[in-house]
Amino acid sequence: EILLTQSPATLSLSPGERATLSCRASQSVSSNLAWYQQKPGQAPRLLIYDASNRATGIPARFSGSGSGTDFSLTISSLDPEDFAFYYCLQRNSWPPTFGGGTNVEIK
Amino acid sequence: EVQLLESGGGLVQPGGSLRLSCGASGFTFNNCPMGWVRQAPGKGLEWVSSINGDGTNTYYADSVKGRFTISRDNSRNTLFLQMNSLRADDTALYYCAKSRHRNSWYEGEWGQGTLVIVSS
Repeated sequence: EILLTQSPATLSLSPGERATLSCRASQSVSSNLAWYQQKPGQAPRLLIYDASNRATGIPARFSGSGSGTDFSLTISSLDPEDFAFYYCLQRNSWPPTFGGGTNVEIK
Repeated sequence: EVQLLESGGGLVQPGGSLRLSCGASGFTFNNCPMGWVRQAPGKGLEWVSSINGDGTNTYYADSVKGRFTISRDNSRNTLFLQMNSLRADDTALYYCAKSRHRNSWYEGEWGQGTLVIVSS
């Protein structure tokens, strides 16, 4: 089973600032990685798939990069609605695994 | 508009069984991989099970293998999760998820979840 480690666990930033979230895999997942956003009381929402492709309707301020074992999700300028939990998911091999999440909170 | 509506959750004693259902609409159900993901209270996301479009291939997390069975009825646009031998650590909100695309396994759209509580 592939382990995904997300860092930091919590990111405290102000609106307008840039956020960079990390996801590291215990072995290569090629580019088969997705990012999800989850707000309290809501279902997760797909942001990025195949490491760098934005899902339908996702604003351009969200971008993903990386391949192999190291991945990043960048939010170029935080909007108040972006403060939430973020999870990465690998779909390179069974079983798919999620990272433990990063909480992006208002500073 | 894609809609996924889960039902069947509730309070069950350890060792008991539940059958979750997920009614789907707004897309072509019968060629779309589907799955279940759960989230224990205050915890992160855990993949549970997936099934391909025609139901011939199923996949399970080790934590549920041998106890849970995923299935689908494409004539009724419905996904199921039969859960047997339930344990306290199965307590979670169970989400039904639709793949992003018929040729993709990424969980693209999600229902609002149904809560399962395993307790005596």
